[in-house]
Amino acid sequence: EAQVTQNPRYLITVTGKKLTVTCSQNMNHEYMSWYRQDPGLGLRQIYYSMNVEVTDKGDVPEGYKVSRKEKRNFPLILESPSPNQTSLYFCASSLWGAAGELFFGEGSRLTVL
Amino acid sequence: KQEVTQIPAALSVPEGENLVLNCSFTDSAIYNLQWFRQDPGKGLTSLLLIQSSQREQTSGRLNASLDKSSGRSTLYIAASQPGDSATYLCAVNYGQNFVFGPGTRLSVLP
Repeated sequence: EAQVTQNPRYLITVTGKKLTVTCSQNMNHEYMSWYRQDPGLGLRQIYYSMNVEVTDKGDVPEGYKVSRKEKRNFPLILESPSPNQTSLYFCASSLWGAAGELFFGEGSRLTVL
Repeated sequence: KQEVTQIPAALSVPEGENLVLNCSFTDSAIYNLQWFRQDPGKGLTSLLLIQSSQREQTSGRLNASLDKSSGRSTLYIAASQPGDSATYLCAVNYGQNFVFGPGTRLSVLP
């Protein structure tokens, strides 16, 4: 089954404790992206990747890192989480360009205390 | 700047009504436009994808149209049902990035 898988789905952590949210897709998609969704602010792009070893900043990259060492994986790293990073996070993937239907993971709800 | 807006922000209708949701975008150099449904606290479910060369797409009771030159798309829902209650988002694909609208929150009353 074609899917985007995120882990963990739910996480409560404390300020400053490094964490990684994993994202994996099985559709051989070139494009992958991370979004955060906050009430009243909608979906905002954090980082995206056009292909392996190619990443770029979205609208709200501060406090986040990503890597794209393999085509299927695109982890989101919070080196030193802060309470303002409490949010619902989504990973998505797509074939780049005209065929680019966006497929989403189920979301990861992160709470930073 | 590429911006996407959606009107109305919220809509409440009785069951059985036909309704139209609107999406507008400022930059018409799009690859495609996609409509999603999101239930509270859940992920986004893709409803329809319209390529830039297409005028409309249909799936069941849903029909989406695209007028690229005027920067508009509409999502038509026929014979609405309480199960259609959700937030509907449009996303415009510009190749390097996808820009999302803020969504329309739909309530269909039994």
